[in-house]
Amino acid sequence: DSGVTQTPKHLITATGQRVTLRCSPRSGDLSVYWYQQSLDQGLQFLIQYYNGEERAKGNILERFSAQQFPDLHSELNLSSLELGDSALYFCASSVGSAGQPQHFGDGTRLSIL
Amino acid sequence: AQTVTQSQPEMSVQEAETVTLSCTYDTSESDYYLFWYKQPPSRQMILVIRQEAYKQQNATENRFSVNFQKAAKSFSLKISDSQLGDAAMYFCAYRSRGNKLVFGAGTILRVKS
Repeated sequence: DSGVTQTPKHLITATGQRVTLRCSPRSGDLSVYWYQQSLDQGLQFLIQYYNGEERAKGNILERFSAQQFPDLHSELNLSSLELGDSALYFCASSVGSAGQPQHFGDGTRLSIL
Repeated sequence: AQTVTQSQPEMSVQEAETVTLSCTYDTSESDYYLFWYKQPPSRQMILVIRQEAYKQQNATENRFSVNFQKAAKSFSLKISDSQLGDAAMYFCAYRSRGNKLVFGAGTILRVKS
């Protein structure tokens, strides 16, 4: 058990809809990272938050947004969903410094019908 | 931009034997970290081992060890005494001070009994 909790585990929805994925980091971790794993793109970094502030952005679409709340949990919002958004979305957390490893949650499997 | 290349899409090893998974990366930075993550069929992302670029000594974690060649930008993973539970997808990952992880495409490891 990595200590990172992601909900829900599975999500099935339709094109054009909006969903919210939730992540609770390990106790004491200030950084939260979101990654997308798809068959065609592999594992890609989306965005990082550190102690409530956006720290880095990767290949995140404008239809996607995220935030980290004062209690350090994070939410990834995906809107105007397309078939290509079907993927496994991982949240990871770390203490914050560059050398610390990131610990991953079990992921949320998003299926767009 | 940093890139990570895993040139072996799939590898097989006999139980109790040793196998080496290859990874090369491209970067202009001098200070960074390298990781190997394991993803079993359960889809969890499990940290296997990490290496700091400033350390010349190769990292070791029980049956897992790395061969880090900084000048060659090579970071291979050696698994000794392979076990059935080692069967998984293995990802090599690079992390700079920017904190995001850049992943390779992965290598599927099959363990034969």
